[in-house]
Amino acid sequence: ETGVTQTPRHLVMGMTNKKSLKCEQHLGHNAMYWYKQSAKKPLELMFVYSLEERVENNSVPSRFSPECPNSSHLFLHLHTLQPEDSALYLCASSQGAGGPYGYTFGSGTRLTVV
Amino acid sequence: EDKVVQSPLSLVVHEGDTVTLNCSYEVTNFRSLLWYKQEKKAPTFLFMLTSSGIEKKSGRLSSILDNKELFSILNITATQTGDSAVYLCAAFLASGNTGKLIFGQGTTLQVKP
Repeated sequence: ETGVTQTPRHLVMGMTNKKSLKCEQHLGHNAMYWYKQSAKKPLELMFVYSLEERVENNSVPSRFSPECPNSSHLFLHLHTLQPEDSALYLCASSQGAGGPYGYTFGSGTRLTVV
Repeated sequence: EDKVVQSPLSLVVHEGDTVTLNCSYEVTNFRSLLWYKQEKKAPTFLFMLTSSGIEKKSGRLSSILDNKELFSILNITATQTGDSAVYLCAAFLASGNTGKLIFGQGTTLQVKP
């Protein structure tokens, strides 16, 4: 247990479904992130939230919609996804500029779009 | 464009061997270089390097940063099967009040008995 909890662990959804991924951190961090990890590709930064405000959106398609209601929770709302969106979605948190130990990652949600 | 490149992409060794993993970076607003080990899902932190030429060690693992030539290496001595994993290198960049990690593709290490 890393202190960053992601649910669900696995998700299979159709292209017309709407679902949400949840991330919760118990570390008192003030920044949270969504990363996408596809096979054979580097982890790609999707969104950055600092003090509950979105500070970065790395050209992510609008079918991905993040929400950060407070500093402990981060959601990724999904709708009308494509098969190429199938990937491992990792949430991470940090305190300010990352502290001495960088980010703490959750275990991820393995998403399959059918 | 910020870029982190790791080599080799994959490596197969036998227990007891020593391996060296490479990471080069071309980024703006560089602050530090981090190494992670990813066995199943969550990457787990290994090292954070900010000062050039100072080696960090943890057991059989060690790492060093050269921020003039813009690269880092991760060494693993006396490898064990439990070292089999994907090793991720990431450059931490300053960005507003937080920062962001830019990852390389990872090196997949397989240690055979």
